[in-house]
Amino acid sequence: QVQLKESGPGLVQPSQTLSLTCTVSGFSLTSYNVHWVRQPPGKGLEWMGRMRYNGDTSYNSALKSRLSISRDTSKNQVFLKMNSLQTDDTGTYYCTRGSTTVGDYWGQGVMVTVSS
Amino acid sequence: DVVMTQTPVSLSVSLGGQVSISCRSSQSLVHNNGNTYLSWYLQKPGQSPQLLIYKVSNRFSGISDRFSGSGSGTDFTLKISRVEPDDLGVYYCGQGTQYPLTFGSGTKLEIK
Repeated sequence: QVQLKESGPGLVQPSQTLSLTCTVSGFSLTSYNVHWVRQPPGKGLEWMGRMRYNGDTSYNSALKSRLSISRDTSKNQVFLKMNSLQTDDTGTYYCTRGSTTVGDYWGQGVMVTVSS
Repeated sequence: DVVMTQTPVSLSVSLGGQVSISCRSSQSLVHNNGNTYLSWYLQKPGQSPQLLIYKVSNRFSGISDRFSGSGSGTDFTLKISRVEPDDLGVYYCGQGTQYPLTFGSGTKLEIK
């Protein structure tokens, strides 16, 4: 069955870089898009960026200067790196699959706290 | 960016009742290919969002027919009939027509 699972550090210091991994199973990264979406505590959803099935990427312009998404198809993994983290980057980070629609399957999310 | 405006912010309904949630976009969500990429999601307490409806009115796999979506252009509605306890949570609309993808701010459904 389709599964996505995020992993990464729960705590990041201000100004440091966040590195997250989304490991997928049940589908191929060369057939489906994978998006990253985040959610500050108690708030709504913010789309961050996308790894397209063909390897192209798209980013939210508000984050573009700090964000990078890459992948390793042999390991069924998509990576998110975001630098210069601040406290308002605290929240839950999700990876989610996209095809004819965005977000048909979601990972469980990983909570990231930016604090010294 | 396309702004998605959801109303109401919250609502309370009795079990077995019916509710409607409105979602309005600042631009038409009709894609160049003719499709309208408007989806509805439910985020239950402590869980990830789950897809309910895609392309305005298509129920995702396993979603009850108590959930229905309608609308066109910039105005969309999610209806939930015969509300059950498991329906509580926050409902989001989201558009996939234009990048960056954007979501509404959410509607919290509470059970009376």
